[in-house]
Amino acid sequence: GENVEQHPSTLSVQEGDSAVIKCTYSDSASNYFPWYKQELGKRPQLIIDIRSNVGEKKDQRIAVTLNKTAKHFSLHITETQPEDSAVYFCAAKATDYKLSFGAGTTVTVRA
Amino acid sequence: GAVVSQHPSRVICKSGTSVKIECRSLDFQATTMFWYRQFPKKSLMLMATSNEGSKATYEQGVEKDKFLINHASLTLSTLTVTSAHPEDSSFYICSARGSSVGSNSPLHFGNGTRLTVT
Repeated sequence: GENVEQHPSTLSVQEGDSAVIKCTYSDSASNYFPWYKQELGKRPQLIIDIRSNVGEKKDQRIAVTLNKTAKHFSLHITETQPEDSAVYFCAAKATDYKLSFGAGTTVTVRA
Repeated sequence: GAVVSQHPSRVICKSGTSVKIECRSLDFQATTMFWYRQFPKKSLMLMATSNEGSKATYEQGVEKDKFLINHASLTLSTLTVTSAHPEDSSFYICSARGSSVGSNSPLHFGNGTRLTVT
């Protein structure tokens, strides 16, 4: 099955700086890569996703890049704000429609 | 956007009792629902895939007789934790995918259920 690894596990950044989270996946057949943000005690919320026919996608301060050859994908948050503090999960979906999640990154934005 | 409702949000039960958790898709038909378990500060672990009108598919290591799943309609899936024990205490969260088979429709999550077994 799919194995998704996520780094780093924790990330502390100064407000206004950028945050980058990196994930790798094992199944070359995976074709959909969503990112979720989860605040304490709440449901994961989809923040951005990318499909395998696209190399990069941007939505305001959030961008995701995908390197299919290397089986890497990354989340970039620019101009971080305190409300960006949360746990972020990457995920990859293979042809069986199941999502495999990374272990999560706890992001703390320091004011 | 698509809404998934999960109930109850919190439940405390005594060891040996059973607990039912409901997951409803409110504004779309969900042919497939997924049940996850999340331990504190850990990732979401897929327990089973619930398919409307057929038996659920359980992940390796998940006891199907312990975690009963029923997906009787296109908008409702239930997870019953039978004969709960303290080690079953966890955050259970469902998610649903729309009925566009073959598409990469996003997963929408319920609010989760915090189960505490005393």
